[in-house]
Amino acid sequence: NAGVTQTPKFRILKIGQSMTLQCTQDMNHNYMYWYRQDPGMGLKLIYYSVGAGITDKGEVPNGYNVSRSTTEDFPLRLELAAPSQTSVYFCASLFSGNTIYFGEGSWLTVV
Amino acid sequence: KQEVTQIPAALSVPEGENLVLNCSFTDSAIYNLQWFRQDPGKGLTSLLLIQSSQREQTSGRLNASLDKSSGRSTLYIAASQPGDSATYLCAVKILQGAQKLVFGQGTRLTINP
Repeated sequence: NAGVTQTPKFRILKIGQSMTLQCTQDMNHNYMYWYRQDPGMGLKLIYYSVGAGITDKGEVPNGYNVSRSTTEDFPLRLELAAPSQTSVYFCASLFSGNTIYFGEGSWLTVV
Repeated sequence: KQEVTQIPAALSVPEGENLVLNCSFTDSAIYNLQWFRQDPGKGLTSLLLIQSSQREQTSGRLNASLDKSSGRSTLYIAASQPGDSATYLCAVKILQGAQKLVFGQGTRLTINP
């Protein structure tokens, strides 16, 4: 049981490039989330999904897009990367009402 | 809008001491409150989850309390050890919408041998 798996772990992007952060969970959880964490700050919600085919914006969605074609996968797309998107990104999942599980994080630097 | 605050931002104590970490939130309409541990370069691990109807939860040397009416939670760590050094975050699950969590900024705890 792998839990929540994120790839890549580290990535350096140039301004204007695009990339996708992958997230997969094998616990059959219906809810999935993408958060970003800036140094010394808490986590801010980017996008979330309540099930396959359903996504919605969180607190800081600008510059990002998501899709949820299957229960297991919830990729986060960065379009036209900007220095302000330098952060640590965490994917998480939970089954209604229960404990939330986090991936190990993806460190992204935009230069 | 729900806001979660953790004070202090950093705390350093000698090994063996009992300590309390604080978490406050502005809206008492919460589903539950969780405390997490985050080690450097790692994701978050859930330590304790308190449902809105509960007053406290215990796990080993950890005890978390919840006072919804005052918008406060505390995490008590007994007989602290160097291995407890980490950042501790609290998060409340709001009632509206898709079970979203609102996080505090975290308290960076250092236990000195």
